[in-house]
Amino acid sequence: GQQLNQSPQSMFIQEGEDVSMNCTSSSIFNTWLWYKQEPGEGPVLLIALYKAGELTSNGRLTAQFGITRKDSFLNISASIPSDVGIYFCAVTPNAGNMLTFGGGTRLMVKP
Amino acid sequence: EAEVAQSPRYKITEKSQAVAFWCDPISGHATLYWYRQILGQGPELLVQFQDESVVDDSQLPKDRFSAERLKGVDSTLKIQPAELGDSAMYLCASSFRGRAYNEQFFGPGTRLTVL
Repeated sequence: GQQLNQSPQSMFIQEGEDVSMNCTSSSIFNTWLWYKQEPGEGPVLLIALYKAGELTSNGRLTAQFGITRKDSFLNISASIPSDVGIYFCAVTPNAGNMLTFGGGTRLMVKP
Repeated sequence: EAEVAQSPRYKITEKSQAVAFWCDPISGHATLYWYRQILGQGPELLVQFQDESVVDDSQLPKDRFSAERLKGVDSTLKIQPAELGDSAMYLCASSFRGRAYNEQFFGPGTRLTVL
């Protein structure tokens, strides 16, 4: 079945550092989404990507939809303690289909 | 700001008992989803509704799980009887029509513990 590989699985960084994480698949997908989930809460949508090669920013977050449509990365600049959480990538093959999530990247930020 | 509402937030039950979770999607969102998230993993879809109709329930264990969205607005997910392996976070999400169809917005979830 569909499988998304997220890396790294976890990161422990110093406040102020930049962060980069990525998500890869062996299959092509038409939509890539990035979510953040904090303990005990539901995932919150950060960025949605619909076009191969698209680069989109949301504040300190920047995400790109890979040109091959098989990968995406998320960058966080100048990390702060509230960036702590699990970051999930998710994909849909076609409009209206279910989301398939990656395993997540757990981010920890040391003040 | 509009949000997906879920209740209860936490539920502890004994195995073989029945449990029910409720979800109220963002107003105007025609599509509603129920996901299950096991600790340490990403959410996995259980069932998808378009208005009051089930679009996809291929991953729903139908021998014990049921879901309904009778009036196409709020929804209920039921488990009867609950088993130990059902302990997980149950998340509800909703999305609008059109290009933003894939942008699903999640509620806070119901954390189920089966003893």
